[in-house]
Amino acid sequence: DIQMTQSPSSVSASVGDTVIITCRASQDINKYLAWFQQKPGKAPKSLIHATSSLHNGVPSRFSGSGSGTDFTLTISSLQPEDFAIYYCQQHKSFPLTFGQGTRLDIK
Amino acid sequence: DVQLLESGGVLVRPGGSLRLSCATSGFLFSDYAMYWVRQAPGQGLEWLSALSGGTAGTAYYADSVRGRFTISRDNSKSTLYLHMNNLRDEDTAVYYCAKGLSIVTGTIAHWGQGTLVPVSS
Repeated sequence: DIQMTQSPSSVSASVGDTVIITCRASQDINKYLAWFQQKPGKAPKSLIHATSSLHNGVPSRFSGSGSGTDFTLTISSLQPEDFAIYYCQQHKSFPLTFGQGTRLDIK
Repeated sequence: DVQLLESGGVLVRPGGSLRLSCATSGFLFSDYAMYWVRQAPGQGLEWLSALSGGTAGTAYYADSVRGRFTISRDNSKSTLYLHMNNLRDEDTAVYYCAKGLSIVTGTIAHWGQGTLVPVSS
């Protein structure tokens, strides 16, 4: 199975800041990497697929990059609604696997 | 708008069985791969199963549920199912239904609100 490791596990930031979350795959997954956002008590929301393609309706302050084994999610100009847990997930092969999550808190 | 509505989550005893349903609307159900993902209390996301679109579909399972859970779909009802047998305490979780981006299995585009399945004696 492909293991996904996110860092940091948690990060604190202020409104207006830029935050970068990283995700590392245990083997080459090309560009088959997705990002999801989850707020407390809510279902996840799909943000990005194929490393850098935003799902419909996702603000452009979210961006993704990377290939192979190393990927990043960048959130620019943080808004109050962006404070949540973020998960990466590889969609190259089964079993699909998620990272452990990164909690983004307000500083 | 795409809508996914899970149901069927109830308290079940270890060793018991349950069927979850996911009623969908807002898209042509048969044209999309569908997924089940769960989240144990206070834990992260765990992918369980996927089913490609079309009339037959190819199913995939996580090792943790293979042989106990079965994914299926009724295209005439635009509904996805998860049949769960021999449930264990560690199956306690919120179960999410999700829709893919295309007919083949790949990434998840939309999520349901989830249904809680507590497994306890």
